[in-house]
Amino acid sequence: AQTVTQSQPEMSVQEAETVTLSCTYDTSESDYYLFWYKQPPSRQMILVIRQEAYKQQNATENRFSVNFQKAAKSFSLKISDSQLGDAAMYFCAYRSARDNRKLIWGLGTSLAVNP
Amino acid sequence: DTGVSQNPRHKITKRGQNVTFRCDPISEHNRLYWYRQTLGQGPEFLTYFQNEAQLEKSRLLSDRFSAERPKGSFSTLEIQRTEQGDSAMYLCASSLDQFTDTQYFGPGTRLTVL
Repeated sequence: AQTVTQSQPEMSVQEAETVTLSCTYDTSESDYYLFWYKQPPSRQMILVIRQEAYKQQNATENRFSVNFQKAAKSFSLKISDSQLGDAAMYFCAYRSARDNRKLIWGLGTSLAVNP
Repeated sequence: DTGVSQNPRHKITKRGQNVTFRCDPISEHNRLYWYRQTLGQGPEFLTYFQNEAQLEKSRLLSDRFSAERPKGSFSTLEIQRTEQGDSAMYLCASSLDQFTDTQYFGPGTRLTVL
């Protein structure tokens, strides 16, 4: 069974600085998708970025980028020029390309942004 | 607003009562998912629909839980004889089809069982 591990329950960053959130996963499959979702306090889950495992190029969305290391099964999220609005829970999630029924989630990392 | 909507946003009930939640997916999305999220945890998969067909149910979904999507549009999740352990955020998500990997989430329904 696939698992997703986020080893940092809490992180903090100064406004305008860069922070990296870690995620590792375990799977025997070669084709899958990885996601980072953001959940602000009392707000809904929002997709931040997605990565297809068959793509070697790391995904980028504005200030958000990933470092996808397939062999190491690592999928970290880098937030550049952090803003106060980036404060949220960040969840890493996995979905098999064969079984596109459900996402498998990590426990999340709570990110605080200090002014 | 064309996003996923959920109603009610909050529900407080007494133990033993029945509750029903509704989810309206993004128009034309034929996949609909229910997840449960407890405080400090990531979401846990409960069930999903392809159009009106319920294709998978997690073992987390006891016989007190039932979900429907009668016309392949909105979905309801009913919990009978609620227990305090049912207190959680219930999230709904939808995706375009079985070939599309991105799920879009609603705001959730927070259930508190007293």
